[in-house]
Amino acid sequence: AAGVIQSPRHLIKEKRETATLKCYPIPRHDTVYWYQQGPGQDPQFLISFYEKMQSDKGSIPDRFSAQQFSDYHSELNMSSLELGDSALYFCATAGQRMNTEAFFGQGTRLTVV
Amino acid sequence: AQKVTQAQTEISVVEKEDVTLDCVYETRDTTYYLFWYKQPPSGELVFLIRRNSFDEQNEISGRYSWNFQKSTSSFNFTITASQVVDSAVYFCALSDRPSIQGAQKLVFGQGTRLTINP
Repeated sequence: AAGVIQSPRHLIKEKRETATLKCYPIPRHDTVYWYQQGPGQDPQFLISFYEKMQSDKGSIPDRFSAQQFSDYHSELNMSSLELGDSALYFCATAGQRMNTEAFFGQGTRLTVV
Repeated sequence: AQKVTQAQTEISVVEKEDVTLDCVYETRDTTYYLFWYKQPPSGELVFLIRRNSFDEQNEISGRYSWNFQKSTSSFNFTITASQVVDSAVYFCALSDRPSIQGAQKLVFGQGTRLTINP
């Protein structure tokens, strides 16, 4: 069965650079969530989208932005990267209308040096 | 505010032992979902179970079982006859009931690192 696809899987950036993480949902899933998991931490909610509109916002820095496109894929844009942004970034998707649980992608490991 | 507490930071047992991971939650909502996810060393989050707040029936899936006690706000997870491949970090999580009007985020516990020794 098709799963949530995240790209890239690994990313190394220098401080003050920008990064774009992509998330491709399971077919017919209309909702996307982004989470950040620091080393040894639990995943923290950043932002979510439902039907291409932002639906909830968590602890997302102003340097980060995200959107969901017409094909339901989503991108998380991160600017002015800091060392503390090094983390595992997860995307999860769900079918709200189908009342499915959220399925997670394999994550993108971002290292800022 | 919603909160999930996994008091056990690390657990280490010998293979074939049974082990229970505790999860206690707080929410003001009367309708909510509880989840367990497994995070192996490779890093991905693997969905294990979702439980609706109205369904207090315990569930068993192979060597895994879950005990939902609404009276004590607990949703504990037991692995019977543990195996080395069960070694991972396990997260308990909580969300409001998803609605058509918008997505509902997951609130995670701090995780329990389970090590099964051969």
